[in-house]
Amino acid sequence: QSALTQPASVSGSPGQSITISCTGTSSDVGDYNYVSWYQQHPGKAPKLMIYDVSNRPSGVSNRFSGSKSGNTASLTISGLQAEDEADYYCSSYTSSSTQVFGGGTKLTVL
Amino acid sequence: QVHLQESGPGLVKPSETLSLTCTVSGGSVSSGSYYWSWIRQPPGKGLEWIGYIYYSGDTNYNPSLKSRVTISVDTSKNQFSLKLSFVTAADTAVYYCARDAFFGRFDPWGQGTLVTISS
Repeated sequence: QSALTQPASVSGSPGQSITISCTGTSSDVGDYNYVSWYQQHPGKAPKLMIYDVSNRPSGVSNRFSGSKSGNTASLTISGLQAEDEADYYCSSYTSSSTQVFGGGTKLTVL
Repeated sequence: QVHLQESGPGLVKPSETLSLTCTVSGGSVSSGSYYWSWIRQPPGKGLEWIGYIYYSGDTNYNPSLKSRVTISVDTSKNQFSLKLSFVTAADTAVYYCARDAFFGRFDPWGQGTLVTISS
């Protein structure tokens, strides 16, 4: 299985909105509404931010939202804050009943 | 609140078997509502799903690692374990255990443990 495709980096200024894309295939992202997003600060374990494409776990800010169109899922962060600076990973369920992650995107808050 | 903690050797020799255990507290590995997963992250690189186990013993593994991976569960100790055989330097990574509420909802994660493959 091939890793999902994410941009290596994105950046934005405080208060702005940014979107991170996650492109897969019709065997994973395109065929299932089981895309999750994770935030990882340096030296820390990843934290679940979005599951099932657009659902937020309890305690996650509503500034984080997810969506999907075809084989591409997206994570949008609105009202960017300094604490949002981190690496972000998407993952998807696959037709082989396995999981596949994206390569990760480094978000820089300018 | 569920807490997961990885444990095991931080240094393994090439060609040997990496063995890690994840101890679950505040919850039960016997719960039918979750898979129990292993995920790794090479230094400076992205996440790679290794596989999961269900309380019944059913497993599913990453095809690229399947020939070398075994995940097991010990319900009496509330633990699950990872064995990766014939390791090479490419297996050097931080290894995380995580609870999966099915279909890749990994939450929570353990803090991770760095395993270095070197002679």
